[in-house]
Amino acid sequence: EAAVTQSPRNKVTVTGGNVTLSCRQTNSHNYMYWYRQDTGHGLRLIHYSYGAGNLQIGDVPDGYKATRTTQEDFFLLLELASPSQTSLYFCASSEQNSGNTLYFGEGSRLIVV
Amino acid sequence: KTQVEQSPQSLVVRQGENCVLQCNYSVTPDNHLRWFKQDTGKGLVSLTVLVDQKDKTSNGRYSATLDKDAKHSTLHITATLLDDTATYICVVGDRGSALGRLHFGAGTQLIVIP
Repeated sequence: EAAVTQSPRNKVTVTGGNVTLSCRQTNSHNYMYWYRQDTGHGLRLIHYSYGAGNLQIGDVPDGYKATRTTQEDFFLLLELASPSQTSLYFCASSEQNSGNTLYFGEGSRLIVV
Repeated sequence: KTQVEQSPQSLVVRQGENCVLQCNYSVTPDNHLRWFKQDTGKGLVSLTVLVDQKDKTSNGRYSATLDKDAKHSTLHITATLLDDTATYICVVGDRGSALGRLHFGAGTQLIVIP
């Protein structure tokens, strides 16, 4: 069974704060993704990567950076957090983009006050 | 503009009843459609994927249909259980390759009561 682990699971920060969300997958998948989930919206893609050192821009990248340090690890960085970034963040991995199913982590809830 | 619309937004059924969830989309091209189940506070788990122009799949008490001409999919849950309480999310992939994008619906919240 695919395993994607996110940390922290919950985070509260102040406006202007610096936040790093971590994701590790142990499935040797090439693709990893960061999504945000907000009430009334479908999941929206922030950034994704198809391998260590690679980064691709998603649909809602503003205010976010990401880095893929190894095949296993993908980080989402909020360097100046804003209240609009209060959301539930999901990391996912897949063997290849789109065609194969995504395996999701359990989510990281971020509150920016 | 939302390209994947799910209905109803929420649904309450009694344990043992059947239910049907709808997904309409405008994504073009539409390579495949996948249904996910999301338990409260958890990540999404794939239930089934539909690929063909007119497709049907079955996975235990879950069955799904896809009509690409109508750009419409249904998810049927038979003899619901309390553990079926979750949000069900429809996702349309516009390609099967690395160039593809996934388009997520906002989900249908299903509540199963005793």
